[in-house]
Amino acid sequence: EPEVTQTPSHQVTQMGQEVILRCVPISNHLYFYWYRQILGQKVEFLVSFYNNEISEKSEIFDDQFSVERPDGSNFTLKIRSTKLEDSAMYFCASASGTLNTGELFFGEGSRLTVL
Amino acid sequence: RKEVEQDPGPFNVPEGATVAFNCTYSNSASQSFFWYRQDCRKEPKLLMSVYSSGNEDGRFTAQLNRASQYISLLIRDSKLSDSATYLCVVFTGGGNKLTFGTGTQLKVEL
Repeated sequence: EPEVTQTPSHQVTQMGQEVILRCVPISNHLYFYWYRQILGQKVEFLVSFYNNEISEKSEIFDDQFSVERPDGSNFTLKIRSTKLEDSAMYFCASASGTLNTGELFFGEGSRLTVL
Repeated sequence: RKEVEQDPGPFNVPEGATVAFNCTYSNSASQSFFWYRQDCRKEPKLLMSVYSSGNEDGRFTAQLNRASQYISLLIRDSKLSDSATYLCVVFTGGGNKLTFGTGTQLKVEL
């Protein structure tokens, strides 16, 4: 069964360091997302990406965050200068079409710990 | 008011019990509704969509009341394997994204 894969599964970094989280969405999907979940809290939308550009971003997705789909298969989230409050599980997700009827498929997540 | 609200639980029920979860959403323009399941420290996975007429999938029944902006999930004959967090999820349109509630934790016990 096709799946969304994410690397690394866990990353520990020092405050102020840059972090890149990588994702390989399901191959024929067109819509790509990053969500995050702080421990014990809800799954929060960060950004959606379609047709090689950001289609929507949340207030959380400030200038410290960026996304890229550099080669048609990978989808990356970069946090330029990490803060303690960026510690969370980051989920990549993809969908084949619009989500009013379709399913959003999540990767297993990348746990980021900022010290 | 939160976009999607759920009772966080936990709901501790014995095996075989029937349990119901509720959810309310604030945006009356919301178009589509779902229940996702999230196991501990795992990714969310779609459990079922919720249709206006109500729909059933085995032991699971989902209902939607648009007038009250209320969604429910009923689980009959609970199994130990049903233990998880159940996420109420809403598609509002205007952007192709889903909004998640905080989730309701279910623990099914022997």
